[in-house]
Parts: sequence; structure tokens; C-alpha cells
Amino acid sequence: GQQLNQSPQSMFIQEGEDVSMNCTSSSIFNTWLWYKQDPGEGPVLLIALYKAGELTSNGRLTAQFGITRKDSFLNISASIPSDVGIYFCAGRNAGNMLTFGGGTRLMVKP
Amino acid sequence: GAVVSQHPSWVICKSGTSVKIECRSLDFQATTMFWYRQFPKQSLMLMATSNEGSKATYEQGVEKDKFLINHASLTLSTLTVTSAHPEDSSFYICSARVPGLASTGELFFGEGSRLTVL
Repeated sequence: GQQLNQSPQSMFIQEGEDVSMNCTSSSIFNTWLWYKQDPGEGPVLLIALYKAGELTSNGRLTAQFGITRKDSFLNISASIPSDVGIYFCAGRNAGNMLTFGGGTRLMVKP
Repeated sequence: GAVVSQHPSWVICKSGTSVKIECRSLDFQATTMFWYRQFPKQSLMLMATSNEGSKATYEQGVEKDKFLINHASLTLSTLTVTSAHPEDSSFYICSARVPGLASTGELFFGEGSRLTVL
């Protein structure tokens, strides 16, 4: 099946730093989604991308749908302690099924 | 926004017993719900697609007799782990697509249910 490679697997950064993570695939996706999961909770949708090349922001978060439709990145600017969690990318294919990346665990030092 | 709620949040049971987890869509009707399983420090693994009024569709390798899914109404899907064993201990998460948004693939997730089988 389709696979998403998400990197990095984990990040330990200082508060105030910017964060960047990305997902790549060997297959084309029609939609890219970014979720955040807090410990013991279900994932919460952060940003949805629907068109190749699309750049979308949500507060300090910015995500882009790669022009090749095989990749996406998520940036977090000026990180704060509450940004801690696991971030997942997900791609939707033509069959309307979602595939999740392996997740990026973000840890922030105050 | 759309809200999906799960119950219970956590459950501990003895080996051999059955456990039911409920997933409700609180402010919309969901003809389709999805059940995921998540092991510690791993991503979400789709177990099955729950279809209102019809049989669930299970992913390869998921035992349908082990994980019984019932989607009897447009707002409720249940996952029953039958004859649970310690290896069934996991975090189970349900999700649903809001009608009208299905084409975008946006899923809303429940809070998750942590199952521990002793």
C-alpha cells in the first residue's frame, strides 16, 4: 500500500525556535492534512491542503502542498511549550482513503 | 466544529472478557465511521470502516470476529473487542467524516479509548 515517510521522527527544541517537518510519498495525493495529537487524546486537525502548490496558514502554523503532489511540509514559528505533542501528516488518494505518516514528536524546552 | 466523542476513555479488563467502545458523532450524522488502533509511539493504523446499516469493511489482517463493529444509527458506532487478551491492549480511536466534507477527506477524531487487558 501507499506509505508516507515523515521526518524528523522527533525534535527537541528551545522555546521560541521555528520548527519544520515534512512528509514525502512515492505516490500522488489529492489532499494533505496535518494533525496534532496530545498524549492520551485523539488527533486534532490543524491544516488541510487541497491543491498542489497551496500554502495555508493557521496562526503560527504554515503548511504547503508540494507541487509534485507527493510531499508536504508543516512549519511552526516561534514555538511555545503547548506546541508539544505528536504531529501527523495524512494524505488522501483518489480512492478517498487516508494514509498517515509515522508522526513527528515535538518536545519544547522552556 | 464537528465533534466526535468516545466512551469510555480508558478501560481495564481481565483476559477473556469482552469490551465495548462507543463512538458518537455529537452534532452531525455520520454514515461512515473509522476505527483506528495506535500502539505506543506509533502512527494510527486503520482497522475497519464502519458503515451505517451494513457490514463493516475490515482492513487486511484485522480479525472481524475479534473486533465486532456495529453501526446501528447515524450517530453511533461501537467496537467490541471479544475475548480480549493482553496483546489487544492498545489505544483505539474512532473518526468520522462530516457529510458534505467527505470529498475533502477531512476526518474528525474522537478522544480515544485506552484498553488495558490484564
